[in-house]
Amino acid sequence: NAGVTQTPKFHILKTGQSMTLQCAQDMNHGYLSWYRQDPGMGLRRIHYSVAAGITDKGEVPDGYNVSRSNTEDFPLRLESAAPSQTSVYFCATSFVPGLQETQYFGPGTRLLVL
Amino acid sequence: AQTVTQSQPEMSVQEAETVTLSCTYDTSESDYYLFWYKQPPSRQMILVIRQEAYKQQNATENRFSVNFQKAAKSFSLKISDSQLGDAAMYFCAYRSTNYGGSQGNLIFGKGTKLSVKP
Repeated sequence: NAGVTQTPKFHILKTGQSMTLQCAQDMNHGYLSWYRQDPGMGLRRIHYSVAAGITDKGEVPDGYNVSRSNTEDFPLRLESAAPSQTSVYFCATSFVPGLQETQYFGPGTRLLVL
Repeated sequence: AQTVTQSQPEMSVQEAETVTLSCTYDTSESDYYLFWYKQPPSRQMILVIRQEAYKQQNATENRFSVNFQKAAKSFSLKISDSQLGDAAMYFCAYRSTNYGGSQGNLIFGKGTKLSVKP
């Protein structure tokens, strides 16, 4: 099992360009989420999904869109990138939120917006 | 809203010694989960230990243990017999047990950078 995978590992984007960050999990988990990590700060949740077809906003959703068409994949889309979106992005997954389930993180995607 | 505070931006420990990282949190909830995550230079977030608030017994995982003081809202991590591989950023995190808009959300502190001296 690969667990949680994220692609790409690193990407440079110009302001105004669009991009999709990929997240895939093979643990049959229902809950998937995206976090961003900025220097000197902990992670903050962007969007999340509790099942295929269901997504919801996290605490810092502006500028990002998500979709969930199946259990495995949860892509994060930046429609028009801004320098403020320079960050490290993590995908996290758990079986069922709110219960005694630990969230497992992917390896992260480092994004630089110029 | 819940908050998590890690008051030690950096800590240092000698190899084989013991170090304690501090974490305090603020919440009005009675049931919740607390976590310590380790982030080495690879940036991978690795779960170190987890504590359920309803459990009075402190969690332990090999060389890692916590001191959970619910009334004081304190959740410190003790690393015994420190090893070079323990050098990393350590994040304390809180998660509510409630469903609704905050479900599954991990609230992180800003982290403590731990250095291990040989």
